[in-house]
Amino acid sequence: NAGVMQNPRHLVRRRGQEARLRCSPMKGHSHVYWYRQLPEEGLKFMVYLQKENIIDESGMPKERFSAEFPKEGPSILRIQQVVRGDSAAYFCASSPGLTSNEQFFGPGTRLTVL
Amino acid sequence: AQKITQTQPGMFVQEKEAVTLDCTYDTSDPSYGLFWYKQPSSGEMIFLIYQGSYDQQNATEGRYSLNFQKARKSANLVISASQLGDSAMYFCAMRAMLKTSYDKVIFGPGTSLSVIP
Repeated sequence: NAGVMQNPRHLVRRRGQEARLRCSPMKGHSHVYWYRQLPEEGLKFMVYLQKENIIDESGMPKERFSAEFPKEGPSILRIQQVVRGDSAAYFCASSPGLTSNEQFFGPGTRLTVL
Repeated sequence: AQKITQTQPGMFVQEKEAVTLDCTYDTSDPSYGLFWYKQPSSGEMIFLIYQGSYDQQNATEGRYSLNFQKARKSANLVISASQLGDSAMYFCAMRAMLKTSYDKVIFGPGTSLSVIP
């Protein structure tokens, strides 16, 4: 059973470009969470999604950031018109549901904005 | 509001010695879970140990044990017989466990552990 997959592992973008980060949850998991880790900091919650639904996006910046988890395919975190402050590690986690004790984390995508 | 505090930004421990990493938390939820994750220099997040707020016994997983003191709202991680491979960032985290709620995880700022040969 493959773990949580994230790609790309490293992404370099110039200011103003778009960044698309993908997350494939573990098989059987229908809950996906995105976290951001700025340099020298802990992880900060961004958004929680279930299939085709955004449940909580309270941690997402109001502009330029969006997330989706379609019925088929991976979850996508999209950052439009990236700025240098978006440089961070973005982690995706998945869980099978509300009663699980653990969220399983992917390896993360390290975004660098030049 | 939920909050996790880790007051030790950096810790050193001699190889083969035990070390305690501090974590205190604040929550008004009656039911919650506490986690510790390890993040080595390679960057991935590795789950170490879990403690439920209603668990009667402290959680243990191999060389890891969680010293859970509910009244003091502390959930310290104890690593016994430290190894060089234990050098990493360690994050304490918490999540509400209400069946009607979703499980957003709140992370502390982390403690950097360095194991000295």
